[in-house]
Amino acid sequence: GDSVTQMEGPVTLSEEAFLTINCTYTATGYPSLFWYVQYPGEGLQLLLKATKADDKGSNKGFEATYRKETTSFHLEKGSVQVSDSAVYFCALSDMAGNTGKLIFGQGTTLQVKP
Amino acid sequence: GAGVSQSPSNKVTEKGKDVELRCDPISGHTALYWYRQSLGQGLEFLIYFQGNSAPDKSGLPSDRFSAERTGGSVSTLTIQRTQQEDSAVYLCASSLGQGTNEKLFFGSGTQLSVL
Repeated sequence: GDSVTQMEGPVTLSEEAFLTINCTYTATGYPSLFWYVQYPGEGLQLLLKATKADDKGSNKGFEATYRKETTSFHLEKGSVQVSDSAVYFCALSDMAGNTGKLIFGQGTTLQVKP
Repeated sequence: GAGVSQSPSNKVTEKGKDVELRCDPISGHTALYWYRQSLGQGLEFLIYFQGNSAPDKSGLPSDRFSAERTGGSVSTLTIQRTQQEDSAVYLCASSLGQGTNEKLFFGSGTQLSVL
């Protein structure tokens, strides 16, 4: 079945460092791809999404490009801040049945130190 | 309401007891999802509702787990005869239910601890 694999964390960076969190997927068809973020003590919220190949999703300085040839959707940010410390989840839409159901990766914890 | 509301936020129970977890979705959202987040694991899909119907129950781990939704709004997830492996954060999400590109809005979850 469809699945998402993320790089293992935790990832620890200094403020202003460059961030990459790798995400690859296995899917039949062409799913939409998402990054969700869970800040400490809060619920998950959508960070960005891309709905077709070569689309780039972006928000709050984060970017991810839908790469069909490598089945990847890596999350990047040029300069992280302490406030970016959170758990990041990559996800794909389950295309069967048009339910809107998402399949998530295991999450990557990011800690940014001042 | 302003967001997805879940109650209780924390629940401690003894092995073998039944528990009920509640989710109030955003008003007007027809789609509702339950997920489970175990320590060190990703989010595991449990069940999907469209209105009061559950066309996808494929993620329920055993027949001890059941869920219902009434009035196209509030949903209750029931776990019977709880086991220690049921300890996890149970998350509820809702959306407008218009397809595969929909943004899901998540509640803050119920932390279930089975002793």
